[in-house]
Amino acid sequence: QVTLKESGPGILQPSHTLSLTCSFSGFSLSTYGMGVSWIRQPSGKGLEWLASIWWNGNTYNNPSLKSRLTVSKDTSNNQAFLKVTSVDTADTATYYCAHTGGLSVMDAWGQGASVTVSS
Amino acid sequence: DIQMTQSPSSMSVSLGDTVTITCRASQDVGIYVNWFQQKPGKSPRRMIYRATNLADGVPSRFSGSRSGSDYSLTISSLESEDVADYHCLQYDEYPPTFGGGTKLELK
Repeated sequence: QVTLKESGPGILQPSHTLSLTCSFSGFSLSTYGMGVSWIRQPSGKGLEWLASIWWNGNTYNNPSLKSRLTVSKDTSNNQAFLKVTSVDTADTATYYCAHTGGLSVMDAWGQGASVTVSS
Repeated sequence: DIQMTQSPSSMSVSLGDTVTITCRASQDVGIYVNWFQQKPGKSPRRMIYRATNLADGVPSRFSGSRSGSDYSLTISSLESEDVADYHCLQYDEYPPTFGGGTKLELK
C-alpha cells in the first residue's frame, strides 16, 4: 500500500524559502519508473502541478514558477523534497505530494501540508 | 501549456441524477487524462485514469469517456457521498495541467 505524508513549516515570511518534505512508504524512488509529483492548491481554488522527480534523478518543474523550484530526493530514507525560493502571499496554499509509477499517474496523494506566507 | 477547459464550474444536483462533467483539451492529449474527486478538507482521489479506466475501489456508477478533444466524467444515479469537487488532469506532456474544477452541490 502506497502512503505519502507532507511536512512543512506551516507559516513563513515573504521572501523566505519554503522547504517541504514528502515521506512515503510502499514504493522506492530507486525503482525503475517511480516518481513523486508536487501539486498545490490555494484555498478555494484549483490544483496546480509544480514539479516531479523520477527514480533516475530526472526532474521537471513548472515553467510558470520560473527557477524558484528545486526538487530532490533521499532514496535511502524514502523522502522527496521541494524548495520554493522567494515566497510571497501568492504561494499560500496546501501543498501535496503524489505518487506516480509507470502508467499510474498521481494514483496516491498525501494529506497535504498547509503553508501560509505572511509577515 | 495545454489548457484543460472544464465545465461546468459548479452544478446543482439531486440524488439519483446522472451527472456529466466535461474537460476540453486545447490540443491532442490522447488517452492521458485522469479524473479526481476531492471532498472538503481532503486530498484528491483518483477516480478515472487514462480517460476511461475505473481506478481501484471506485464504484461502477462512475465512468469516463472521450470524444475527440472532449473528456467526460459521468456519475450515474448520484449518491450523497458523490457530492464533491471534481478535477481533470492531462499528463500527455509537461507541464501536466488541471481543469479549473467542478463543484457539485445538492439542490
